[in-house]
This record gives sequence, C-alpha cells and structure tokens, in this order.
Amino acid sequence: GENVEQHPSTLSVQEGDSAVIKCTYSDSASNYFPWYKQELGKRPQLIIDIRSNVGEKKDQRIAVTLNKTAKHFSLHITETQPEDSAVYFCAALGGGGNKLTFGTGTQLKVEL
Amino acid sequence: DAGVTQSPTHLIKTRGQQVTLRCSPKSGHDTVSWYQQALGQGPQFIFQYYEEEERQRGNFPDRFSGHQFPNYSSELNVNALLLGDSALYLCASSLDPNTGELFFGEGSRLTVL
Repeated sequence: GENVEQHPSTLSVQEGDSAVIKCTYSDSASNYFPWYKQELGKRPQLIIDIRSNVGEKKDQRIAVTLNKTAKHFSLHITETQPEDSAVYFCAALGGGGNKLTFGTGTQLKVEL
Repeated sequence: DAGVTQSPTHLIKTRGQQVTLRCSPKSGHDTVSWYQQALGQGPQFIFQYYEEEERQRGNFPDRFSGHQFPNYSSELNVNALLLGDSALYLCASSLDPNTGELFFGEGSRLTVL
C-alpha cells in the first residue's frame, strides 16, 4: 500500500519568514496530493491540493510543488503569520482511488 | 449548507464496551469515509462506504464495522473496546471518492478507560 513520509515533525519560524514542509510517497500511481491544516481540537481543513498532471500550484501565501519522478511534494508558506501556527498534514490518494494516506504531521510554530 | 456533522462529539467508555458513532455527510455527497486519529498522529483510514456498501477497508480488525443508510448517513461501530481505541474518529464525505477531495467533520473523541 501507499506510504507517506513527512518532514520535519516540528518547525519553528519567525513571523514573516517562509516555511517549507516536505513529503515523499511510495505509490507511483498516486494522483492527488492534498495538504490539511489542523488546529488544536479541530478538524483537518484542506488548504491546498495538487494533482499529478500539475507541477506547481499557488494560492496567495501558500504553494505546493510536486515532483512525480522523485515522488515528493512540498508545501511552501510565505510571509508566515501567528495564525499559521498549527499541525499540517500531507496526504496522497493511491492509484486504487478511494483512500487518502496521511503523513505524520508537522507542528508549525510561528513566533513573534 | 450544512457541512459534515458527527455525533457525539465526546464520549467515554470502558474496556469491553461497544460504541456507535454517527455521521451525516455534506449535502450532495454520497460517499463517507471514516478515519481514526490517535493523539499526535495523522488520520488512519478505517473504511469507506458508497451506495450502502463497504467499498474499501484499511488495516483495522473486524471489531470495527460500519453501515451506510439510504440517505447517505453512516455509522461506525466498535466492539470489545480496547484502551488503544482511544482516538478522534473523523468522518469525511466526498462527491467523487476518486478525486480525493474530502470534507471532514469535527470528529468524535472517544476515550476508553
């Protein structure tokens, strides 16, 4: 089955700096890669996603890049703000469809 | 437009008991997936229901079972509860599971004592 690895597990940045979170996946047939933000005690919320036919996608301060050959994808947050502090999860939808496999999460802390 | 709703939000059970969690999908969505999220970990896929049938299942024992009703709502049942079943149980709905776009409910936090 699919295996998703995520790094780093914790990330601390100064307000205004950029943050990068990286994930690798194992199933070359995976075709959909979402990123979720989860605040303490809340549900995961989709913040951006990318499909396998696209190399990069941007939405205001966040962007995701995908390298299918290397089987890795990354989340980039620019001009970080304190409200960006949360746990971020990457995920991959396997070639068999239907189920998302999640990474282990990155605790992002944006310090003033 | 109501999103995904789950009940109960919190519950406490003791080992060996049984629990039923409920989920109503987002309006227009016909596919429901259940995930278990242990503390400090990512969500783990339990199973998915579509057209009242279990469509795919993750690596969970038979103690975990589910059901989907004609109105697309769903239940997750866990029998013979173990301490390790303590987790946040998330329901997610989608219009087309093959596209992967999931909408999560707030979850049901189960504590097993």
